[in-house]
Amino acid sequence: AQRVTQPEKLLSVFKGAPVELKCNYSYSGSPELFWYVQYSRQRLQLLLRHISRESIKGFTADLNKGETSFHLKKPFAQEEDSAMYYCALTPKGYNKLIFGAGTRLAVHP
Amino acid sequence: EAQVTQNPRYLITVTGKKLTVTCSQNMNHEYMSWYRQDPGLGLRQIYYSMNVEVTDKGDVPEGYKVSRKEKRNFPLILESPSPNQTSLYFCASSWQGSYEQYFGPGTRLTVT
Repeated sequence: AQRVTQPEKLLSVFKGAPVELKCNYSYSGSPELFWYVQYSRQRLQLLLRHISRESIKGFTADLNKGETSFHLKKPFAQEEDSAMYYCALTPKGYNKLIFGAGTRLAVHP
Repeated sequence: EAQVTQNPRYLITVTGKKLTVTCSQNMNHEYMSWYRQDPGLGLRQIYYSMNVEVTDKGDVPEGYKVSRKEKRNFPLILESPSPNQTSLYFCASSWQGSYEQYFGPGTRLTVT
């Protein structure tokens, strides 16, 4: 079964602390994996995808096929990073997105 | 401005009263989709459309209908809404084969 699991509903850190939002997936083939972010009062938007191997707003995510994980990391959290983060998977060849339940990141001053 | 729009943004209705939530995109995207967002469950796909007149069920299609008569519009129809359809609904669109989906602002529906 295709599934995305985000084990933490809420992650609370202080400004400047490292952040790691966990994402594990279940998929038999080679998935495309993404992180979407939803800031307060804004629409859901793409943050980054594993295929591009880029860093956006200081965030990176590495696909670990052995552990079937795609954790999102940032070395120094900022208050403006506070948002809801969703890990998502697209089965190869499809436009469909399968979302995890989301993790709310709260960065305190 | 390239965007996905949804109307209405908020709706309170009663059980059984048919309603339509509209979705429109101005980016000439082939693919459009509807999701519902519920606490603890994330976003789940209701229906999607690969192009005009081509629609298919997502993971939670029961109680919903869609149509795709024009490329830019993808309305979501609830023929007989029930309280378990109270949710936050998102429309999204993308180019065919593109993995980046563009989301609308959401429609918060309450069915009493």
